[in-house]
Amino acid sequence: DAGVIQSPRHEVTEMGQEVTLRCKPISGHNSLFWYRQTMMRGLELLIYFNNNVPIDDSGMPEDRFSAKMPNASFSTLKIQPSEPRDSAVYFCASKRGPGTGELFFGEGSRLTVL
Amino acid sequence: TQLLEQSPQFLSIQEGENLTVYCNSSSVFSSLQWYRQEPGEGPVLLVTVVTGGEVKKLKRLTFQFGDARKDSSLHITAAQPGDTGLYLCAGAGGGAGKSTFGDGTTLTVKP
Repeated sequence: DAGVIQSPRHEVTEMGQEVTLRCKPISGHNSLFWYRQTMMRGLELLIYFNNNVPIDDSGMPEDRFSAKMPNASFSTLKIQPSEPRDSAVYFCASKRGPGTGELFFGEGSRLTVL
Repeated sequence: TQLLEQSPQFLSIQEGENLTVYCNSSSVFSSLQWYRQEPGEGPVLLVTVVTGGEVKKLKRLTFQFGDARKDSSLHITAAQPGDTGLYLCAGAGGGAGKSTFGDGTTLTVKP
């Protein structure tokens, strides 16, 4: 079975540009999570969805960040405008439902903002 | 707010040595997961523990969930270079549907 698929794997952009990260969760999983990982702050939860509905976006750092899940098989995380401090690895993860704890992560999108 | 503290933060040992990583919280979790992350990849689930006092073994790795379901430990016997990576514990529960992650333990096993 295919795992969580993220794209792009690497993105280098200039400050002020828009960045869109994409995620396809595992088929049949009803919960989707976006995390950001840095050396300084570790793994931070940005937002998560249950059944395509955003449940908790308290981890989204600023209004420059937005996330959507138009259907059960696709989600995007957008940063507009991007800033150097947004440089990090962004992970998407999915799980069967809110009652379970086991997360399945994608390989991540490494973002560098110059 | 649920917090998970992992210790030690960094661990560097020689091949063949044993080690234990701890994951502690003041909160009760319905389940706890351990993940291993290698450079350039996402965290990969190793095990889930659910019952207080539960012990699970995965080859040379032994996982234990505390009786009160607030803490956990990971013990590796005869560590190998292939065990090198970032080990993360995560607690689930509280009705929120989201997991609380520890800051991780970076393990380096030298040949």
